[in-house]
Amino acid sequence: DAGVTQSPTHLIKTRGQHVTLRCSPISGHKSVSWYQQVLGQGPQFIFQYYEKEERGRGNFPDRFSARQFPNYSSELNVNALLLGDSALYLCASSAAGFEAKNIQYFGAGTRLSVL
Amino acid sequence: KQEVTQIPAALSVPEGENLVLNCSFTDSAIYNLQWFRQDPGKGLTSLLLIQSSQREQTSGRLNASLDKSSGRSTLYIAASQPGDSATYLCAARSYGQNFVFGPGTRLSVLP
Repeated sequence: DAGVTQSPTHLIKTRGQHVTLRCSPISGHKSVSWYQQVLGQGPQFIFQYYEKEERGRGNFPDRFSARQFPNYSSELNVNALLLGDSALYLCASSAAGFEAKNIQYFGAGTRLSVL
Repeated sequence: KQEVTQIPAALSVPEGENLVLNCSFTDSAIYNLQWFRQDPGKGLTSLLLIQSSQREQTSGRLNASLDKSSGRSTLYIAASQPGDSATYLCAARSYGQNFVFGPGTRLSVLP
């Protein structure tokens, strides 16, 4: 079975541009979460979607937005890119939103570099 | 607001040693706690998840414990191997909240 897949693997953009990152969850998983990981730090929570509805939002500016599609895949959009947005963006999927036994499974991430 | 810390930040041990990684969290009302492994430049691999009702979980040479009252979790690695070299992250989830990650412990196991 395929795990969590993310595309693209690497991306180079310049300041002010827009970027879209994509994530396909494990088959049967309905919850997708996005995280930003800056070099040397733990991942920071950005968004969670469950059944196509936003269920959580971290402390990120409105330049960051996301959505989940009927097939449970998800997109993360970042507008007006800043140098500080350079990071590894991770997507995680889980079977359901809130049960304590739900394990989050992560994709390999998208490495975004903003020049 | 949940905050998670991990000690030590880095650890270097000779092959074969048993070792303990520590994770502390400030909000004891957690839902569950998950330990991950991350290889350089890669995504996270789930190692163990402990639900709030559990005290420990074991998988192979790994054992994770949870003490909510003291706000601590430990990951015990038995008979360490060079292939265990990676960054180990813990993440705590409070009720109605999403995972909050610690900064990680970078482990080097020397042959």
